[in-house]
Amino acid sequence: QVQLVQSGAEVRKPGASVKVSCKASGYTFTDYSIHWVRQAPGQGLEWMGWINPNSGGTNYAQKFQGRVTMTRDTSIRTTYIELSRLRSDDTAVYYCARVIIGTFAFDIWGQGTVVTVSS
Amino acid sequence: SYELTQPPSVSVSPGQTARITCSGDALPKQYAYWYQQKPGQAPVLLIYKDSQRPSGIPERFSGSSSGTTVTLTISGVQAEDEADYHCQSADSSTTYVLFGGGTKLTVL
Repeated sequence: QVQLVQSGAEVRKPGASVKVSCKASGYTFTDYSIHWVRQAPGQGLEWMGWINPNSGGTNYAQKFQGRVTMTRDTSIRTTYIELSRLRSDDTAVYYCARVIIGTFAFDIWGQGTVVTVSS
Repeated sequence: SYELTQPPSVSVSPGQTARITCSGDALPKQYAYWYQQKPGQAPVLLIYKDSQRPSGIPERFSGSSSGTTVTLTISGVQAEDEADYHCQSADSSTTYVLFGGGTKLTVL
């Protein structure tokens, strides 16, 4: 079936970087853009940006520009998000999500990856 | 930049109708999307393009749009509908996406 499976929980110290993966299965990987969304504890959803797995093109939310990098490896159907210069307020669940072609609707979500930033 | 505004909470008794609103200046020009999120789970798409329902979503969930406000309506609310509901839209020129703050639906 169509699914996105993310890597496991991470703990980092402030100032460090973290890289989270999102592996796709059950559909043509290069046909659908992948977006990344995070959710801090008790808070709403926050959009971070997207990557086009076909071209590798990206678009990042202004808030994260300079700190975020999204990449993909088409050979293993996996996209990645790397966030650098971590702060305590980056502690959140990070989700990848597939977007329906021609819309901005996220129809398939990964299970989420907990990233904890603590000294 | 533009924002989406949702009420923090809505309460309704079982069997009643719940309406959750989402307001934003760009909504007359951009589609809205709705998600349901239960504790510890990823969001689930309920409504796309203002009023379209993906396959597998019960008919009691519907969406509508009027001017700068979109509304998610849940008819015949059930206990299992207790969850957080998030509206979402996007700027098609920049392809930036944004979410409302989320609404907690409590079934009394």
